[in-house]
Amino acid sequence: QVQLQESGPGLVKPSQTLSLTCTVSGGSISSGDYYWSWIRQPPGEDLEWIGYIYYSGSTYYNPSLKSRVTISVDTSKNQFSLKLSSLTAADTAVYYCARQTAARYCSSTTCYVFDYWGQGTLVTVSS
Amino acid sequence: AIQLTQSPSSLSASVGDRVTFTCRASQGISSALAWYQQKPGKPPNLLIYDASSLESGVPSRFSGSGSGTDFTLTISSLQPEDFATYYCQQFSSYPFTFGPGTKVDIK
Repeated sequence: QVQLQESGPGLVKPSQTLSLTCTVSGGSISSGDYYWSWIRQPPGEDLEWIGYIYYSGSTYYNPSLKSRVTISVDTSKNQFSLKLSSLTAADTAVYYCARQTAARYCSSTTCYVFDYWGQGTLVTVSS
Repeated sequence: AIQLTQSPSSLSASVGDRVTFTCRASQGISSALAWYQQKPGKPPNLLIYDASSLESGVPSRFSGSGSGTDFTLTISSLQPEDFATYYCQQFSSYPFTFGPGTKVDIK
C-alpha cells in the first residue's frame, strides 16, 4: 500500500520561503507510471493544484504560482519537495502531496488523477 | 484555465436517498473528469475517473456520467459514511483544476 507523508514547519513568516517534503513509502518514486504532485487547500476554500515532478526531474507548475514555486525530487530517499517563496497570508493552507497517475488511459486522454494523497499539513503564514 | 462550477453548493439528504449533483466545465473537456470525496480533516479520495469509471474499491452505489461540459455524480442510496464534500477535477488541459465542491449533510 502506497503511503505519502508531508513534513515541514507549520508556521512561516511573511516574505519567507516555505519548504515541505513528501516521503513516499510502499512504492518507488522512480516508477515511470506516476507524477508526484503538490496540492493546497486554504481553510474553507477550493483545492488548488500547485504542480508536479516526474522522477527524471521534469516539472510542471501552475501558472498562478509558477514564479514562486520549485518542486524537486530525491529518488535516493524516495522523497519530493516543495519550495514556495515570498509568502503572504493568502498562502495559508493545508498542503497535500499526492501521486498523480501518468500511465492510466482514459477515453480521450491520459488519466491525470490523484490516486494516493498524504494526510496534509497545515501551513500558517503569520508574523 | 478551465473553470469548474458545482451545484448545488450544499444539500441535505437522508440515509437511503438517491442524490445527484453536477459539475459544469467552462469549455468542453470530453470525459476528462474525476470525482473525489473529502471528509473533514482528511485528504480527498478518488471515486470516479474518465467521467464514469469507478475507482477500484469504491462502492457501486457511486456512479458518474456526462461528457463535454456537463457531468453528474449520483449516489444511489446514501449511506452514513457518504456525508462529505464532493469535488470534481478536470484533467483535459493544464493547469488541472478542481470545482468548489458540493457538501452533503444529514437532513
